[in-house]
Amino acid sequence: DSGVTQTPKHLITATGQRVTLRCSPRSGDLSVYWYQQSLDQGLQFLIQYYNGEERAKGNILERFSAQQFPDLHSELNLSSLELGDSALYFCASSATGRMNTEAFFGQGTRLTVV
Amino acid sequence: EDQVTQSPEALRLQEGESSSLNCSYTVSGLRGLFWYRQDPGKGPEFLFTLYSAGEEKEKERLKATLTKKESFLHITAPKPEDSATYLCAVIGGANSKLTFGKGITLSVRP
Repeated sequence: DSGVTQTPKHLITATGQRVTLRCSPRSGDLSVYWYQQSLDQGLQFLIQYYNGEERAKGNILERFSAQQFPDLHSELNLSSLELGDSALYFCASSATGRMNTEAFFGQGTRLTVV
Repeated sequence: EDQVTQSPEALRLQEGESSSLNCSYTVSGLRGLFWYRQDPGKGPEFLFTLYSAGEEKEKERLKATLTKKESFLHITAPKPEDSATYLCAVIGGANSKLTFGKGITLSVRP
């Protein structure tokens, strides 16, 4: 168990809908990262938050947004969902804001858009 | 743009048959190379971080090495429980994001 908790584990929704994925980092970790994993693209970095502030941005679509709250949990909001958004979404956390340090991944949320 | 290529895509070994997994990378100013293990339906599990050419790290049957162009994950006398997908990732100086390879799926037969 990495100590990173993601909910829900599975989500099935229709095209055009909006969903929210939640992540609780390991106790004491200040950074939260979001990744998308699909069969054809592999693991793609989406966005990083450090202590409530956006720190780095990757291949995140404009339809997606994230935030980190004062208690350090994070939410990833996905809107106007398309079939191609079906993927595993992972959250990871680390103690520092530097991306070249060890990060611990949650078990992921499997999103299916139908 | 940072690039990571892992080979082979899949590897089948007999229990006890040692082998190496390759990760070739292109990055401007390497700040770190990571190896992760991922079991089906689970999140990646951190294995190693290497920061400079010549560095080596070991953990049980695994040993990771790094050169200026590639990294190897050597697996000595593997067991069936070593079956998983092994992911390599790099982060460079000019780019703040972690770039992952597509992974190598290792299957170890008893």
